[in-house]
Amino acid sequence: DIQMTQSPSSLSASVGDRVTITCQASQDISNYLNWYQQKPGKAPKLLIYDASSLETGVPSRFSGSGSGTDFFFTISSLQPEDIATYYCQQYEDLSLTFGGGTKVEIK
Amino acid sequence: QLQLQESGPGLVKPSETLSLTCSVSGGSISSSRSYWAWIRQSPGKGLEWIGSIYYSGSTFYKPSLKSRVTISVDTSKSQFSLQLSSVTAADTAVYYCARHKPSVLRYFAWFDPWGQGALVTVSS
Repeated sequence: DIQMTQSPSSLSASVGDRVTITCQASQDISNYLNWYQQKPGKAPKLLIYDASSLETGVPSRFSGSGSGTDFFFTISSLQPEDIATYYCQQYEDLSLTFGGGTKVEIK
Repeated sequence: QLQLQESGPGLVKPSETLSLTCSVSGGSISSSRSYWAWIRQSPGKGLEWIGSIYYSGSTFYKPSLKSRVTISVDTSKSQFSLQLSSVTAADTAVYYCARHKPSVLRYFAWFDPWGQGALVTVSS
């Protein structure tokens, strides 16, 4: 299985801050990488697909970048409603693995 | 708007078979190019894809679970189902169903949307 390592596992930032989460794959996955947001008690929601494509209806403050083994998810200006856990997910192979998640909190 | 809803027993005894059904509304399970997936989430293992099925019945399973998993589809009811046999406490999780959408180069790529999830506890 391809291992997906997210960092940090949690972070605390102020409203308006720029927040960046890293996802590293154990092997080259090209751009076959998606990002999800999961709010407490809710199902995950797709935000970014193919590493950098914004899902329809998702605010433009969310963005993704990277290819190969190193990927980045950024919130350009953190809002109170962005409090959630964020996950990356690869689809280069049939293990279809997720990262361990990054919990984002407001300072 | 496509919606998915999981249903099934919330408590299963060890060594028995876990059975869940996902009902799809707001769109046809047959008309999309998509597969339909089961994913689970437990504190110990995080998010884990279990398997996916096409409306024709074609299936793909996570290799490590393949020996215990069966996913089936009933297009007349717009439902697909999960059976996981010989369960243990390690199978305790929230189970989600989701549409498994294709990308340009892959038959299945991302999961969207997801059902609300169903907690299944394995305990005697």
